[in-house]
Amino acid sequence: EEELVESGGGLVKPGGSLRISCAASGFTFSTYRMDWVRQAPGKGLEWISSISFSSSFIYYADSVKGRFTVSRDNAENSLHLQMNAVRAEDTAVYYCARDGAVDGARALNIWGQGTLVTVSS
Amino acid sequence: DIQLTQSPSFLSASVGDRVTITCRASQGSCSYVAWYQQKPGKAPKLLIYGVSTLQSAVPSRFSGSGSGTEFTLTINSLQPEDIATYYCQQLDIYPRTFGQGTKVDIK
Repeated sequence: EEELVESGGGLVKPGGSLRISCAASGFTFSTYRMDWVRQAPGKGLEWISSISFSSSFIYYADSVKGRFTVSRDNAENSLHLQMNAVRAEDTAVYYCARDGAVDGARALNIWGQGTLVTVSS
Repeated sequence: DIQLTQSPSFLSASVGDRVTITCRASQGSCSYVAWYQQKPGKAPKLLIYGVSTLQSAVPSRFSGSGSGTEFTLTINSLQPEDIATYYCQQLDIYPRTFGQGTKVDIK
């Protein structure tokens, strides 16, 4: 079964750092672009980052550019999001998602269950 | 950036009704528009990609259409299990923006 499982969420103080991860299984992780999407409590979905299969092409939303860094380890089938200088407005459930473009379906066709990041003093 | 505006933000309909949600893009001509369904406490689920292609295992009462800057998601014969919030997303250019969501309820 194709699956994504996030981990690493928790409580972090404003200005602090946190690294969240996403473990992929059931598919050839190294061939897919991967995205991060977040959802603040009671709010809509916000796309925040995308990384190509080879890590050669990386994109960020303006809201996180310069503070968050996406990376991947294809040998370990894992995706990471390093979050620095976090703010209260970064409080959200963070989802990793697979871009199915390589299969002809450019859309986020597999999602993890999400990991909650809370920024508070 | 391409802004996506969904309408309505909320709708209430009866079981069996046909429901239509609209997604308008602020600029450009989008080809890669997707629709997602999200139930409370759950991750989003892909329904439609490429404007009108139904994702595998999604019921055929869901359909997508549109072109250019205006797109629609239609649910033919609304079912109780369709209670959810629906989001459109454009994947043509970065940032890959989402619409603000449409919450669907049953009367």
